[in-house]
Amino acid sequence: GAGVSQSPSNKVTEKGKDVELRCDPISGHTALYWYRQSLGQGLEFLIYFQGNSAPDKSGLPSDRFSAERTGGSVSTLTIQRTQQEDSAVYLCASSLSRQAYEQYFGPGTRLTVT
Amino acid sequence: AQSVTQLDSQVPVFEEAPVELRCNYSSSVSVYLFWYVQYPNQGLQLLLKYLSGSTLVKGINGFEAEFNKSQTSFHLRKPSVHISDTAEYFCAVSRIIQGAQKLVFGQGTRLTINP
Repeated sequence: GAGVSQSPSNKVTEKGKDVELRCDPISGHTALYWYRQSLGQGLEFLIYFQGNSAPDKSGLPSDRFSAERTGGSVSTLTIQRTQQEDSAVYLCASSLSRQAYEQYFGPGTRLTVT
Repeated sequence: AQSVTQLDSQVPVFEEAPVELRCNYSSSVSVYLFWYVQYPNQGLQLLLKYLSGSTLVKGINGFEAEFNKSQTSFHLRKPSVHISDTAEYFCAVSRIIQGAQKLVFGQGTRLTINP
């Protein structure tokens, strides 16, 4: 079956612009996670959604970052007023439930801020 | 707080040689441990996991890992590597916090297989 998909695969933007990154989880997976993978920082948890519950935003690095999940499925991560330090690969993962141990990762979106 | 340390950032080995990728974790409570692999330009794929039970865990592609509670380690091993094993490997520790699984990753180990 289809795995987690993310779009775009690559995004180059100018400093100060806003960007939106999209994640389509596996059908039926209620839990959705966003991570950031950058040089020197490794993989960092950003935000977590479970169904229609309020998200866990504890990993978001600043208030320029926000995310939403519509209808308990597709999620969009928005970065406002991008900075060069936002350059990274943004990974999305989903799991069957909030207590499921296996997370399935998408291929990621490589964001470059010039 | 939990943390994960992968002791080697890069490991070069020859094809068909054995390999061990080291991982140590710190946690004051029971943990669940994972190894993920990331092939070039791809997302992460679960290799194996330790939740409970036997300390020797077997995963996909011939990899295995041993959970050692006294040494707080979860090293990944393969007796004979192949060129296709070239990838980055991440060790992760998980806890259930407020009903949700949270993964904390190590910095990764880049495994390079030379012919």
